[in-house]
Amino acid sequence: TQLLEQSPQFLSIQEGENLTVYCNSSSVFSSLQWYRQEPGEGPVLLVTVVTGGEVKKLKRLTFQFGDARKDSSLHITAAQPGDTGLYLCAGEANAGKSTFGDGTTLTVKP
Amino acid sequence: KAGVTQTPRYLIKTRGQQVTLSCSPISGHRSVSWYQQTPGQGLQFLFEYFSETQRNKGNFPGRFSGRQFSNSRSEMNVSTLELGDSALYLCASSPTPDGANYGYTFGSGTRLTVV
Repeated sequence: TQLLEQSPQFLSIQEGENLTVYCNSSSVFSSLQWYRQEPGEGPVLLVTVVTGGEVKKLKRLTFQFGDARKDSSLHITAAQPGDTGLYLCAGEANAGKSTFGDGTTLTVKP
Repeated sequence: KAGVTQTPRYLIKTRGQQVTLSCSPISGHRSVSWYQQTPGQGLQFLFEYFSETQRNKGNFPGRFSGRQFSNSRSEMNVSTLELGDSALYLCASSPTPDGANYGYTFGSGTRLTVV
């Protein structure tokens, strides 16, 4: 079983601050996805990273896949209240089913 | 195009009853996965279907079952409901097995409450 550990579990910050959340594993993943989930709704896919060392940007969000494809980070610049939600990472191992981390609950206070 | 549609959105059942949840994937997506989400356990994988075949199954008792039809629509069934089955049940579809390279598109879920 491939475990994905996300940290921190909870994060509460003020609007305008920067933050980074992490997704780590001892397993190698062929691809990794980040999702954001709002209360009462399903997760929404933000990005898929495939290549080790890959960096993708989505407006104020920057996603990085580790060189060894075992870890990933999500950095948010100048957080806004609309960024509030549960951030989940999910990894797909070779010929295996996708595994989800337990998530980071982010609260951005105005 | 239409997203993943789950019905019903909310459901209240009594212990011992059974329930069937429905999921219509995005048109053209042949993979449908089911997850149970609770505050304490996070997203727990139930099973995945691809082209009507169950490809993977999570660690849930036999009371949880599912199937996929030729049009890729999927249903999951829970028999002999227990209080602990109260959760948000999420369906996710993908064009490829395991969400490989494309990730998943999730529905809004079915909130099941067992009383």
